[in-house]
This record gives sequence, structure tokens and C-alpha cells, in this order.
Amino acid sequence: DVKVTQSSRYLVKRTGEKVFLECVQDMDHENMFWYRQDPGLGLRLIYFSYDVKMKEKGDIPEGYSVSREKKERFSLILESASTNQTSMYLCASSLAEGEQYFGPGTRLTVT
Amino acid sequence: AQSVTQPDIHITVSEGASLELRCNYSYGATPYLFWYVQSPGQGLQLLLKYFSGDTLVQGIKGFEAEFKRSQSSFNLRKPSVHWSDAAEYFCAVAQFQGAQKLVFGQGTRLTINP
Repeated sequence: DVKVTQSSRYLVKRTGEKVFLECVQDMDHENMFWYRQDPGLGLRLIYFSYDVKMKEKGDIPEGYSVSREKKERFSLILESASTNQTSMYLCASSLAEGEQYFGPGTRLTVT
Repeated sequence: AQSVTQPDIHITVSEGASLELRCNYSYGATPYLFWYVQSPGQGLQLLLKYFSGDTLVQGIKGFEAEFKRSQSSFNLRKPSVHWSDAAEYFCAVAQFQGAQKLVFGQGTRLTINP
């Protein structure tokens, strides 16, 4: 069965902290994605990766970075968390031209 | 750039009634289109997808969607909703840029009245 897992369901961090969100997929998918979801805005793409060590900016990359050292793992990094990064973060993976499979999401609160 | 519009932010229907959720897209070529559902506190699950061929697509949980190129629409339908269908629904169009990215609509929240 397809599985995308995210390291935390809920996370509370302070302003200025460095935050790591981890995502792991067990489907040998080439592509991995990070989105943030905010009410009324739908899902917006932060970064994606189509191969190990490769990354591409999405629509809203500012304030974020990513790391993909292994095919199955894709990390989202908030270098210095700010309150406007309070959101739901969703990770997804896909084959080259297939549908995306989503993890359960991490609800991040920055205080 | 591709875009997706879901005109209805919130829809309420009675259990057993029919449902149609609207989706309009902007894309130059033949689009790859998707409908996803998100139950409260969960990730997104694929309901159905359209790549090519028959314009009426069947999905899981009794949902179907019809691709209409002339109207740039991909509306989601269900003949009779169940209380468990209460969720948020997202329409998306694929955009190719190194990988197949998805551009999502704003989502439609569905409430079911008993």
C-alpha cells in the first residue's frame, strides 16, 4: 500500500527557531513535493524535487529551503520561523507522470 | 500560467441529494485534471483523474467528473451524497516543469445536512 509519512502531526515552535519537517515515502517515487495549505488559498507549492539532490522552487519558496539526500526522504527547512509560517504543511510524492500521494500533514504553529 | 477556479467556497446539501462541485481551469493544451478529497485532519486522497479519452471519468466512492473542453470545466458529481462525504474537495491541473506539478483550486467545503 502507498505510504507517505510526515514526522509530526502537530508542532509548536517559537519565532526565530530553525524548524525541520521530514517526509518519507516508501514507493520509490522520483518526485516529491512540499505544499502549505491555508484557508481560502488551497494548496500552494513551496518546493519540489524530481531526483536526489535536485530541487526546484515552487510558487512560494521565500523563507524555506529543502534537502533531498536520499530518494525516499524530502525535508523542508524553515531557517528562522516566523508567525506568518503558521500553517498546515503537506508532503506528496509521485512517479514521473502520475498522481500525487499525500501524507497526513503537519500543523505548524509559530508563536 | 495554469490556474484553477472553484467558484463555490462552501456548499451544503442534504443527505441523499445530488451533488455537483464546479471547477474551471485555464490551460493551453489538453490538461491533466484531478479531483482530491480531504477529510478533516487528513491528507488529500485522489478521487479521480482525467488524462485523455472518455470525457466522463469514474472515480472512487461513487464520484464522477465530466471534462468539457468548450467550457474549460471539470465538474465533480455524485448522484446521492452520504454523511461521510462531508469534506473539502480540491480540483487540480497538472503543469509540467521538470516534474508534473499540480496547481490547485481554492477548495470547496462540503457540509451534509442529515
